[in-house]
Amino acid sequence: EAGVAQSPRYKIIEKRQSVAFWCNPISGHATLYWYQQILGQGPKLLIQFQNNGVVDDSQLPKDRFSAERLKGVDSTLKIQPAKLEDSAVYLCASSLGLGEAFFGQGTRLTVV
Amino acid sequence: GEDVEQSLFLSVREGDSSVINCTYTDSSSTYLYWYKQEPGAGLQLLTYIFSNMDMKQDQRLTVLLNKKDKHLSLRIADTQTGDSAIYFCAGRPGGGGNKLTFGTGTQLKVEL
Repeated sequence: EAGVAQSPRYKIIEKRQSVAFWCNPISGHATLYWYQQILGQGPKLLIQFQNNGVVDDSQLPKDRFSAERLKGVDSTLKIQPAKLEDSAVYLCASSLGLGEAFFGQGTRLTVV
Repeated sequence: GEDVEQSLFLSVREGDSSVINCTYTDSSSTYLYWYKQEPGAGLQLLTYIFSNMDMKQDQRLTVLLNKKDKHLSLRIADTQTGDSAIYFCAGRPGGGGNKLTFGTGTQLKVEL
């Protein structure tokens, strides 16, 4: 069974630029999550989708972050404009409903 | 929201037992999880425990839950160098949804 795929693995951008991350969940998983993991901290949930609907985006900084999951499969997370404090690893995870969440390898973003 | 706290660092000798501790604040957490994160990798679910259980054993792993003190621990028997990683505990609060709140992580270093 293929795992959660994310791309790119690494990204370096200047502040005020925009960036997008892509996630392909495990086939058949209806629930998809985006987490932000700042160095030295545990992951923090940014947004949770159930199929193509948003279940929880209470911790998503909506003035600069956006996410979509068209057709209920792949998802993209965008940051525009990026700030220095957005430097982090962005983890995508998926699950069958409320079951175990499987994580991708993450995208490491560095904002300079 | 829930707070989850862990000690930052643990060093053990190969072959010894490791005990990683975690405290949480939300008494309604229905599931409590232990994840392992190796360098450059995503999170791997090691084990979980339901809130109505006191203990769960899975091969070298033993999870103990003290609901009264809101304390969770993970014991790794016969610790190996391959166990060196960051270990996160996470809780899923009651009330539906699947939002995991992670601790800050404990870095386990296994020395020869």
